[in-house]
Amino acid sequence: NAGVTQTPKFQVLKTGQSMTLQCAQDMNHNSMYWYRQDPGMGLRLIYYSASEGTTDKGEVPNGYNVSRLNKREFSLRLESAAPSQTSVYFCASSLGAEETQYFGPGTRLLVL
Amino acid sequence: AQSVTQLDSQVPVFEEAPVELRCNYSSSVSVYLFWYVQYPNQGLQLLLKYLSGSTLVESINGFEAEFNKSQTSFHLRKPSVHISDTAEYFCAVSEMGTYKYIFGTGTRLKVLA
Repeated sequence: NAGVTQTPKFQVLKTGQSMTLQCAQDMNHNSMYWYRQDPGMGLRLIYYSASEGTTDKGEVPNGYNVSRLNKREFSLRLESAAPSQTSVYFCASSLGAEETQYFGPGTRLLVL
Repeated sequence: AQSVTQLDSQVPVFEEAPVELRCNYSSSVSVYLFWYVQYPNQGLQLLLKYLSGSTLVESINGFEAEFNKSQTSFHLRKPSVHISDTAEYFCAVSEMGTYKYIFGTGTRLKVLA
């Protein structure tokens, strides 16, 4: 069991470039989440997918899009990266609402 | 709206001393409460959680937290810390029936030899 995996681990982008962060889980979880972590701000929810085929905005969705490709995979896309999107991005999954969330190792993104 | 407050951004403590990391929350509905730990360059891992029942919950590595509804608190304690407990600790709240966690800003625990 790999748990929650994320690719890439590190990425450097120039302002205006686009990229997709990939996330996959092998725990047969229904719900998946994308967070960003910034110093002094804790984790903030960007988007979540309660179940396959659904996605909803979190606290900070602007500048991001998501796709729940299937039950296992949930991707996060930055269409036009901005320096304010420099952060560490974590994917998580859970069986459902209120359940324990399991986190991936994170993607460190630097936007120049 | 929900909110979570971790007042202490950093807590230094000597090895084998007790420690308390504070967490207060606000919510107009019933909540579930969680503590997560993050070791350097890793994702978050669940330390313990309160869903219902006994207000005192324990983890396998000696941490405990007590849910206090009247004070809207869920403080994390350990009677004797180890160097290996050095990490960042996050308190989180989830309103019943929702998918959204609200995380606190984290407390960096540094255990000194």
